Amino acid sequence: GAVVSQHPSWVICKSGTSVKIECRSLDFQATTMFWYRQFPKQSLMLMATSNEGSKATYEQGVEKDKFLINHASLTLSTLTVTSAHPEDSSFYICSAVGPLNTGELFFGEGSRLTVL
Amino acid sequence: QQQVKQSPQSLIVQKGGISIINCAYENTAFDYFPWYQQFPGKGPALLIAIRPDVSEKKEGRFTISFNKSAKQFSLHIMDSQPGDSATYFCAASDATSGSRLTFGEGTQLTVNP
Repeated sequence: GAVVSQHPSWVICKSGTSVKIECRSLDFQATTMFWYRQFPKQSLMLMATSNEGSKATYEQGVEKDKFLINHASLTLSTLTVTSAHPEDSSFYICSAVGPLNTGELFFGEGSRLTVL
Repeated sequence: QQQVKQSPQSLIVQKGGISIINCAYENTAFDYFPWYQQFPGKGPALLIAIRPDVSEKKEGRFTISFNKSAKQFSLHIMDSQPGDSATYFCAASDATSGSRLTFGEGTQLTVNP
């Protein structure tokens, strides 16, 4: 199956700093990727849709200036949490639309962000 | 607005038993219904998926039952094993959403040995 890799898998940062999370499709090209946020024992909350070569589409209530998304190539999307605060601590997960255009999404392993 | 409702929130089953998780949806445009399995600290992994043109799909010990008129679908795990202990999410999407999934709230399954 198609593989999506996220890096880093966990990161700890100080309040006020920015953190970048990478999402890569390893063996296929992904025109569209999605970014989610997940709090403990909760479901995945869609943050934004990332389209290669265009601006991301953010869900209602998600601050686009806070969560910067860049999809500069067909295999890489990045999420930058700017001026992170403790309330931004969460599990961030990306997914990519698979190569066969069946609607199947392939998920990354997730990135645990802890802001001190 | 939550468009996919999942139940139960948690489920405890004995080894060898059948685990059943249910989901109901509102949007009649949904045409793709996947189930995902998630272990702690990991991303979700696709378990099995169904489209509305069939009422049941089976892959190994996992079966999806789909009732289009009732707008409900369920996951059955036969011969449940301790290794199946995880959180399960149902989801749905429609062709116009470009694979944008709406997730259920999740079910934490524990299979006791």
